[in-house]
Amino acid sequence: AAGVIQSPRHLIKEKRETATLKCYPIPRHDTVYWYQQGPGQDPQFLISFYEKMQSDKGSIPDRFSAQQFSDYHSELNMSSLELGDSALYFCASSRGLAGGSSYNEQFFGPGTRLTVL
Amino acid sequence: GNSVTQMEGPVTLSEEAFLTINCTYTATGYPSLFWYVQYPGEGLQLLLKATKADDKGSNKGFEATYRKETTSFHLEKGSVQVSDSAVYFCALKRGGGSNYKLTFGKGTLLTVNP
Repeated sequence: AAGVIQSPRHLIKEKRETATLKCYPIPRHDTVYWYQQGPGQDPQFLISFYEKMQSDKGSIPDRFSAQQFSDYHSELNMSSLELGDSALYFCASSRGLAGGSSYNEQFFGPGTRLTVL
Repeated sequence: GNSVTQMEGPVTLSEEAFLTINCTYTATGYPSLFWYVQYPGEGLQLLLKATKADDKGSNKGFEATYRKETTSFHLEKGSVQVSDSAVYFCALKRGGGSNYKLTFGKGTLLTVNP
C-alpha cells in the first residue's frame, strides 16, 4: 500500500540558511500534519492543513511557514535556521471530516532529519 | 489543555517477560487514544488504538484498554521479543471531529535482551 512520502530524508544546512521539506500524502488523503521531534523528545505538533486551508496551528515558529497545494502535497518552509531547529520532521496524512474513526487515523511518513550546523 | 503522561524509561526486560507501560491522560470530552512505536532510525507506526471507553486495542500481541474512570490506556504484552525493542509513544486525539492534532507522551524506550 502507498505510504506518506517525505523528501528529502536527510538535510544539512548552515545557520541562517533556508530549508524546504516536502510531504506527499497517501492518495485520497486530504489532511496533512507536520510534527517536529527533537533529539530524545516526543513529537510536537506544528501545523495542519485540510483541503488546502490551514486547519490547526501549534508551536510553529514565525520563521516557518507551510502550505498545501492543489494536489494535496505540502511543503514546510524554514528560514533563518537556528541550531535548535535540528530535529526529525514528520509529516502525517489522514482523510479528514469523514464519519468513522478509521477515516481519521494519521499515517506517518519516515521523516526528514534536518541538521543545522 | 490535553496532555499525556507515560512512565519514564528506559525499560529493560528479558525475552518472554511481561511488559506494562503506563499511560494516563488529561483531556476534555472523549478523546481517541493511541500507541505508536518508533524503531531505531525509523518513523512512527501506529501500534493500536481505541476510540471510546472500554474499547480494547490490540495488535502483534500488544493490548491496551481505554479506561475512562482512571483516564488510562496502559500498554501490555504477555511475552516480549527482542524485536519489540523500540520507543513507545502514548498519544491522544481530541474527539468529536476527525482531523485534530495528536498530543504525545514523552515516550518510553524498551530494550529486550535475549
